[in-house]
Amino acid sequence: DQQVKQNSPSLSVQEGRISILNCDYTNSMFDYFLWYKKYPAEGPTFLISISSIKDKNEDGRFTVFLNKSAKHLSLHIVPSQPGDSAVYFCAATPGAGKSTFGDGTTLTVKP
Amino acid sequence: DVKVTQSSRYLVKRTGEKVFLECVQDMDHENMFWYRQDPGLGLRLIYFSYDVKMKEKGDIPEGYSVSREKKERFSLILESASTNQTSMYLCASSSLPRDSDRFGIQYFGAGTRLSVL
Repeated sequence: DQQVKQNSPSLSVQEGRISILNCDYTNSMFDYFLWYKKYPAEGPTFLISISSIKDKNEDGRFTVFLNKSAKHLSLHIVPSQPGDSAVYFCAATPGAGKSTFGDGTTLTVKP
Repeated sequence: DVKVTQSSRYLVKRTGEKVFLECVQDMDHENMFWYRQDPGLGLRLIYFSYDVKMKEKGDIPEGYSVSREKKERFSLILESASTNQTSMYLCASSSLPRDSDRFGIQYFGAGTRLSVL
């Protein structure tokens, strides 16, 4: 039973447009959600997070939205840049300790 | 900046060999993790440790063991390597959630690509 799902394995957008990456979860105990970005041959790096008491968190071009009733979160990147091309992982944690990761979405931003 | 260092970027081993993957973090983090990443399967947790000499199984512990004798070092051991353990292995660390701004954030090493022939 996969508790965190990223249903789109890949996404391709044009430079300057919006990229929207989606993530669904099933465990109601998750109360903190994170997005990581991973380039080839590197480890994932933290991008942005959101607590379950919020529905939006913004950091520059990156915004994460959380819909608790739908158990859904999304990452918006505006405007998208070619350097944003990477694998994006959604993760969820119920508190201290481990996170559960989705399978990742490969974003390609075309110049 | 937090630094998580994995001892090898690439390893090639033979079936049946005992393999050690080493990970060191320099931020005095309590939690450390070992994942493997395979295409289409995301990051799967093998083991994690929340304190020295403490460990818990993750989702796929079979065929692996771990050792944490010092706070900064977390080792993953493949007791008898098999071809299905060919993968990218990622180590990560995180602190206890005393800082709400950094809550739950894991810091990853660059990964070790292991090939078992």
